[in-house]
Amino acid sequence: DGGITQSPKYLFRKEGQNVTLSCEQNLNHDAMYWYRQDPGQGLRLIYYSQIVNDFQKGDIAEGYSVSREKKESFPLTVTSAQKNPTAFYLCASSVAGVTDTQYFGPGTRLTVL
Amino acid sequence: AQSVSQHNHHVILSEAASLELGCNYSYGGTVNLFWYVQYPGQHLQLLLKYFSGDPLVKGIKGFEAEFIKSKFSFNLRKPSVQWSDTAEYFCAVRSGAAGNKLTFGGGTRVLVKP
Repeated sequence: DGGITQSPKYLFRKEGQNVTLSCEQNLNHDAMYWYRQDPGQGLRLIYYSQIVNDFQKGDIAEGYSVSREKKESFPLTVTSAQKNPTAFYLCASSVAGVTDTQYFGPGTRLTVL
Repeated sequence: AQSVSQHNHHVILSEAASLELGCNYSYGGTVNLFWYVQYPGQHLQLLLKYFSGDPLVKGIKGFEAEFIKSKFSFNLRKPSVQWSDTAEYFCAVRSGAAGNKLTFGGGTRVLVKP
């Protein structure tokens, strides 16, 4: 069963703690992306990676970090420096880079208490 | 800075009514245009896309969109909606002038009453 998986679906953390969101894909896509979705604001790009061991900041990278050690995996860490971390986080991937159609995972809803 | 505007935040209509959702973007040059849909509890899915050619694009589930370059618009339409079209709809634009990143509009929540 091919696709993009994100875990967990719901995540609760205390303020001041770092938390890592998982994103895995078995589509053999080169590029992967992280977005944040807030009501009325659509999706905003946090980080993206076009190839293993390389990634670039998106529009709202402050307070977040990523790694891309394997083609299949692109974990996102929400650090304590992120001022408003409670949101719905979506991971996406595409075949060969930013010029291709992106396909999305089911998302992780993070709530910071 | 590039921006994508979806002017209707919420739309409520009855089954069999026609639907049109507006999408405008702020930058010129070559653009790729997308409409995504997020049904309740489901993944964000691609509805249709425009890269080049015929500006009238047909997508899944009876949706279509028209690219009007002079108006910087890519409006989504469906002649007759069903209750199952209840969802949130997102317009997205990619431009080489903006580093080929995908920029999303704020979304439109559509509620179709049975």
